Amino acid sequence: GDSVTQMEGPVTLSEEAFLTINCTYTATGYPSLFWYVQYPGEGLQLLLKATKADDKGSNKGFEATYRKETTSFHLEKGSVQVSDSAVYFCALTRNQGGKLIFGQGTELSVKP
Amino acid sequence: DAGVIQSPRHEVTEMGQEVTLRCKPISGHDYLFWYRQTMMRGLELLIYFNNNVPIDDSGMPEDRFSAKMPNASFSTLKIQPSEPRDSAVYFCASSLMEGLGAGQPQHFGDGTRLSIL
Repeated sequence: GDSVTQMEGPVTLSEEAFLTINCTYTATGYPSLFWYVQYPGEGLQLLLKATKADDKGSNKGFEATYRKETTSFHLEKGSVQVSDSAVYFCALTRNQGGKLIFGQGTELSVKP
Repeated sequence: DAGVIQSPRHEVTEMGQEVTLRCKPISGHDYLFWYRQTMMRGLELLIYFNNNVPIDDSGMPEDRFSAKMPNASFSTLKIQPSEPRDSAVYFCASSLMEGLGAGQPQHFGDGTRLSIL
């Protein structure tokens, strides 16, 4: 079945460091891929998405490129801030009724 | 625009009591999802609806859990009787039909933090 695998956390970085959170997926066909972010005490928010191969999603300085050849959708940011501390979820949908398959989440902690 | 609204935000009750969680999706959205989040199991999809009809309830843990969507603007998730292992954060989310374009995102509420003593 479809699945999403993320790198394990927690990830701890200093402010202004470069961030990569790895995400790989298993799915037939051409899924749409998403990154969601969850701040403490809140629900998940869409961060960015890509709907076809080689698309790059970007938002708030974060970006991720849909790589079909490596079935990956790694999240990157050039310079993280303390306010980026949150849990990040990679997810896919095969566009079948909108059902999302989530990874296990990666906690990011950014220290001043 | 109003987002997905869940109530209550926090619920503390004793084992054996009935618990009802409520959700108002974003107006015009066709899909509604119920999730449960715990440290041990992460984020789990419990059930989802399309146009008020349950499509997949395979994630509902057992018969003590039930969900309804009597109309397009309201859904409930009930647990009866509740048990301590049901303690978790329960999220509701809604989205538009996929036919409007690939990759329609889900919009989440802020969740209900449930504690069963």
